This record gives sequence, C-alpha cells and structure tokens, in this order.
Amino acid sequence: AQSVTQLDSQVPVFEEAPVELRCNYSSSVSVYLFWYVQYPNQGLQLLLKYLSGSTLVKGINGFEAEFNKSQTSFHLRKPSVHISDTAEYFCAVSYSGGYQKVTFGIGTKLQVIP
Amino acid sequence: KAGVTQTPRYLIKTRGQQVTLSCSPISGHRSVSWYQQTPGQGLQFLFEYFSETQRNKGNFPGRFSGRQFSNSRSEMNVSTLELGDSALYLCASSLVSGGAGELFFGEGSRLTVL
Repeated sequence: AQSVTQLDSQVPVFEEAPVELRCNYSSSVSVYLFWYVQYPNQGLQLLLKYLSGSTLVKGINGFEAEFNKSQTSFHLRKPSVHISDTAEYFCAVSYSGGYQKVTFGIGTKLQVIP
Repeated sequence: KAGVTQTPRYLIKTRGQQVTLSCSPISGHRSVSWYQQTPGQGLQFLFEYFSETQRNKGNFPGRFSGRQFSNSRSEMNVSTLELGDSALYLCASSLVSGGAGELFFGEGSRLTVL
C-alpha cells in the first residue's frame, strides 16, 4: 500500500532563514509527488508537483523540491522564509496506472518566528 | 472561475444521528474526492467519484457513503454518528481521475459530534 512519511510534525524557523521539510514515500516504479499547503481555516492548495522529467521542481511562493528516487524522498525547501509562510504543509503521493488515489502525509506545521 | 464549494461549513450533531455533506466542484471537473482531516492523522482518503462512478474507496466503515450526480456535484453521508467522526471533511475536485491531476480543495465542512 502506498504511504507517505513526514518526519517532522512541527518545524520552527526564524524569519529569513532557510527551511527544509522532509518527506519520504513508499517505493514504486512510477510515482507522482505533490506538496500542498493549508493556511488556517482554509482548504489545501498545490505548491508544486513532480510527474516526470527534471528532478528539481519549482513551485509557487519561492518553494522548490527535489525528487530523489534512490532515497524515495521529496523534500521541500525554501532559501528564506517569511511570516506569511506559517502554515501546515502536506506531502502527497500517487502512483501511475489505473485509478490511483492520492495519499497524504500527516502534515508538518511550519512556524516562522519573527 | 468559482472554486470548490462545500456546505454546510460547520455543523453539530449528536451520536447516532446521520449527516449529509455537499460538494460542488469547479465547473468542468468530473472527479470529486473526499478526505477526512483530524489532528495527528492528516488527511485520510474516503472515496473518489468520476462521472457518477466510484473509482476508489478508502478504509472507512460502511457508515460512510457517497454519491455523485450528473452535474458532478457530490454528497457524502455518515450514518449512526460516533464521537470519533468529529473532523474536518474536505472535498477536492480534479479534471482527471487517477491521481496525476492537481486537486482543488474546498474549505471543508467541520463536523462536531456530541
């Protein structure tokens, strides 16, 4: 069964510092990987996605992620965070072929400290 | 373009009652997925509908059911409510079924069971 592990439930970081949110997924031949963000009292919105091609994916708001097949990881990074980045971040995976569901991790709460 | 609309936004029920939640997807989207979000559990997949057919189902008891209408609007129903059903229920629509497409989320229906 497909699964996603987000290793950190909470990540505090000072404003303008870099951040990395970690995500590992259960191995499969072909995967689709996503990062979504949820601001308080809102639904989730897509930050970035990897379907195929370049392993470095750039998303909105200055975020990027790198697909590492050998380590089955898809870590999210931002070189300099802002207060407005305070939110919960979800890594998600789906697999190619057939009617595959999208499985989400439990989320990582990013708290940016002024 | 209107986003995903979920109604009601908030509701309170007592144990043993049943509840119906509604989701109107983005115009043109034929896939609707439902997720249950609780603290510490992240998003748990309930089911996905595409063109009125259930394409995938998560590991929830039969008390949880759903359907999709010809206009792509979807409803989910929970019968014989339990305290543990208290959660935020999120609906997401997509152009395609099968996990490769971006999910567009509504703001959710927050259910409290007393």
